[in-house]
Amino acid sequence: DGGITQSPKYLFRKEGQNVTLSCEQNLNHDAMYWYRQDPGQGLRLIYYSQIVNDFQKGDIAEGYSVSREKKESFPLTVTSAQKNPTAFYLCASSREGQGAWRRTTGELFFGEGSRLTVL
Amino acid sequence: GQQLNQSPQSMFIQEGEDVSMNCTSSSIFNTWLWYKQDPGEGPVLLIALYKAGELTSNGRLTAQFGITRKDSFLNISASIPSDVGIYFCAGYYGGSQGNLIFGKGTKLSVKP
Repeated sequence: DGGITQSPKYLFRKEGQNVTLSCEQNLNHDAMYWYRQDPGQGLRLIYYSQIVNDFQKGDIAEGYSVSREKKESFPLTVTSAQKNPTAFYLCASSREGQGAWRRTTGELFFGEGSRLTVL
Repeated sequence: GQQLNQSPQSMFIQEGEDVSMNCTSSSIFNTWLWYKQDPGEGPVLLIALYKAGELTSNGRLTAQFGITRKDSFLNISASIPSDVGIYFCAGYYGGSQGNLIFGKGTKLSVKP
């Protein structure tokens, strides 16, 4: 079945450690995104990528890093510079990519999320 | 940055009741979307609206794209227990996907 797979589902980190969250999609989507969710705060965009080897900062990129070496994969690293990393992290993808000929709709397909807890 | 005001923040439902929630913005959008998130899961798209005034149904769900393009509402008729969860509205005004704005969500719970 096509979809987005995030791993791990639960992750614990000691202060000062970097951790990497995995996101893989087999939907052949061009664009991929990382969101952070805190209780009562909705979804806040961390990074997004519209094409391989290119990505853009979202609203809360500080303390995070990403890479997009393959179309299917968009891992997120939560660095020790992120002061409050405990949160639920959601990866998403969409069909649209760069290019004026593409109709952009805003429709996102989400993974099941990864819950990061800092001990 | 842009913000969406989603209300109510939370509500309790009794099986069989109708439910309404809405989102408003100070800016116009070209697309309104409604997502539902079950506990511990990622959001799932329920309805997408692309034209001002558009009214779209998906089973017991009905959503409308406000004529001013600054608001949208979602109605759930004859609620059932599996309707509980968090409902998010999202507005999109085109261009880069970084321009998709989410509301803070409406949490639906079952009345004790």
